[in-house]
Amino acid sequence: GAVVSQHPSRVICKSGTSVKIECRSLDFQATTMFWYRQFPKQSLMLMATSNEGSKATYEQGVEKDKFLINHASLTLSTLTVTSAHPEDSSFYICSARDPGRGGLEQFFGPGTRLTVL
Amino acid sequence: GQQLNQSPQSMFIQEGEDVSMNCTSSSIFNTWLWYKQEPGEGPVLLIALYKAGELTSNGRLTAQFGITRKDSFLNISASIPSDVGIYFCAGQRETSGSRLTFGEGTQLTVNP
Repeated sequence: GAVVSQHPSRVICKSGTSVKIECRSLDFQATTMFWYRQFPKQSLMLMATSNEGSKATYEQGVEKDKFLINHASLTLSTLTVTSAHPEDSSFYICSARDPGRGGLEQFFGPGTRLTVL
Repeated sequence: GQQLNQSPQSMFIQEGEDVSMNCTSSSIFNTWLWYKQEPGEGPVLLIALYKAGELTSNGRLTAQFGITRKDSFLNISASIPSDVGIYFCAGQRETSGSRLTFGEGTQLTVNP
């Protein structure tokens, strides 16, 4: 149980294009999902909290107009990196809480490697 | 920024040895979680701790929630080559809702 998937697993795009990353909870409903960014040899940095049916909550320093988050259903959240630039190249990971488990554990997807040329 | 101090940053050990790593903070945490991440993958939950003083095992892994609620440790006994990876602690503070703060990670290398 508590399986989270991400798609795509890796993407290469040209500078200036937009990229959409999907995060799905496969065997549970997630009212809350989280988006993280991880640079090489560094820890996970929380970008935003995605709430089903409402606006995402962004961490300080994260541009909400650049990183668009949509949580349209209880099993799907999407992160769109708009007008991507090389400095946006990173490993993007989503996570979700399973409210049915009653705890605060977050279960992570396998990550999406974004490379902007 | 990071509010959890995780140490050591890296460890190089021989197969069969025991390993210990810990996280400390100046803040009180309500929940401590330990994750393992392998290259190109997302973190996988190892152990979750919810009560001060709690000691929990998962196979060869043991973790404890410090009595002051400001620290936690993870022990791995009789290490094997597949234990290689980066281990992260993560904590949830009372004032942060369900958001987690991550430690900087401990890179573990096990030599056969």
